[in-house]
Amino acid sequence: EAGVTQSPTHLIKTRGQQATLRCSPISGHTSVYWYQQALGLGLQFLLWYDEGEERNRGNFPPRFSGRQFPNYSSELNVNALELEDSALYLCASSFVPDAKNIQYFGAGTRLSVL
Amino acid sequence: AQKITQTQPGMFVQEKEAVTLDCTYDTSDPSYGLFWYKQPSSGEMIFLIYQGSYDQQNATEGRYSLNFQKARKSANLVISASQLGDSAMYFCAMREGRGRDDKIIFGKGTRLHILP
Repeated sequence: EAGVTQSPTHLIKTRGQQATLRCSPISGHTSVYWYQQALGLGLQFLLWYDEGEERNRGNFPPRFSGRQFPNYSSELNVNALELEDSALYLCASSFVPDAKNIQYFGAGTRLSVL
Repeated sequence: AQKITQTQPGMFVQEKEAVTLDCTYDTSDPSYGLFWYKQPSSGEMIFLIYQGSYDQQNATEGRYSLNFQKARKSANLVISASQLGDSAMYFCAMREGRGRDDKIIFGKGTRLHILP
């Protein structure tokens, strides 16, 4: 069974540009979560999508947005990139009705803003 | 106040020894879940083990066990017979809340180095 897949692996952008990151969840999972992990820091929750709707978002500015498609895959868009947006962006998926609701992660997209 | 506290930024352990990684948590929710994840240098977060707040027994998964002490709000990860491949960052996490407030909070992590 395929795990969570993220693309691209690396992304290099310049300040002010837009970045689009993609995530495909584990088959059967309906929830997708996005996290930001800046260098040397823990994971900061960005967004949660379930059944195509945004369920919750973390303490990030509106230029961080995303969507979930009918096949449950998801995109994270970061507009007007700033240098401090450079980080590893991790996507996770889960099946919410499962009592444990364990989140399984992809390998991440490493975004560098120059 | 921090919800998840991992007091050991780094640890060095000899190969084949057992390792205990500390984690304390803070919640007033009677229903919660505790997780441990491993993050190698490649970046992927690997799920290791889960403990529910109502589980009577400590969780075990192969060489991993979770020492759950509910009254002390402690959820330490124990790795038996450590291997070189265990060198990684380890994160303790807690899920709490309901519905839209359901969220997982991660600790700052412990970097484990296994010495040959």
